[in-house]
Amino acid sequence: GESVGLHLPTLSVQEGDNSIINCAYSNSASDYFIWYKQESGKGPQFIIDIRSNMDKRQGQRVTVLLNKTVKHLSLQIAATQPGDSAVYFCAENNGNTPLVFGKGTRLSVIA
Amino acid sequence: DAGITQSPRHKVTETGTPVTLRCHQTENHRYMYWYRQDPGHGLRLIHYSYGVKDTDKGEVSDGYSVSRSKTEDFLLTLESATSSQTSVYFCAISEPTSGTYEQYFGPGTRLTVT
Repeated sequence: GESVGLHLPTLSVQEGDNSIINCAYSNSASDYFIWYKQESGKGPQFIIDIRSNMDKRQGQRVTVLLNKTVKHLSLQIAATQPGDSAVYFCAENNGNTPLVFGKGTRLSVIA
Repeated sequence: DAGITQSPRHKVTETGTPVTLRCHQTENHRYMYWYRQDPGHGLRLIHYSYGVKDTDKGEVSDGYSVSRSKTEDFLLTLESATSSQTSVYFCAISEPTSGTYEQYFGPGTRLTVT
């Protein structure tokens, strides 16, 4: 709920601009990555995923970029809307263990 | 929420009392998970199950036990609740044979231990 957002890094974006949310992952053996969106008072919801044999994947208004060399993942949201305001988490795994989640970034859209 | 319900949705209990949270799914997914979510820590895995009666510990399992007697139900028990267990608890499910490792989450249970 509302307490999830405390102590999180925050990204403030003007409505209509593009957003870029970054995530550094820790396990070089990870081969699957997911981005989740969590709105206040709700459970995380799947946005997009990518496997390690790809470096880019596009969805509706979202793009995930994967840089395995520096173990970095990013989520790009085009034409950010007020409904995009939420906490965004990246998650990783290598197929043998449950997903490991990052701490999250709060996206705040300024109308 | 992908056919996942959690009960209760909110609970206030006293230190030292036992508490059981229930997760119910209608998706027939093999894997089920319990996470807790706290400010500054993100989602942390408590326990998970990879089949009926098959469970394993996560990174923050101390003080918690789980049971899975049916595919659709995964119970999380706090044998003697402590204030440090005040948190929001999420259940999740996944089905590896679907070709992805995506986990679907329930709506959460807010637990307050006084």
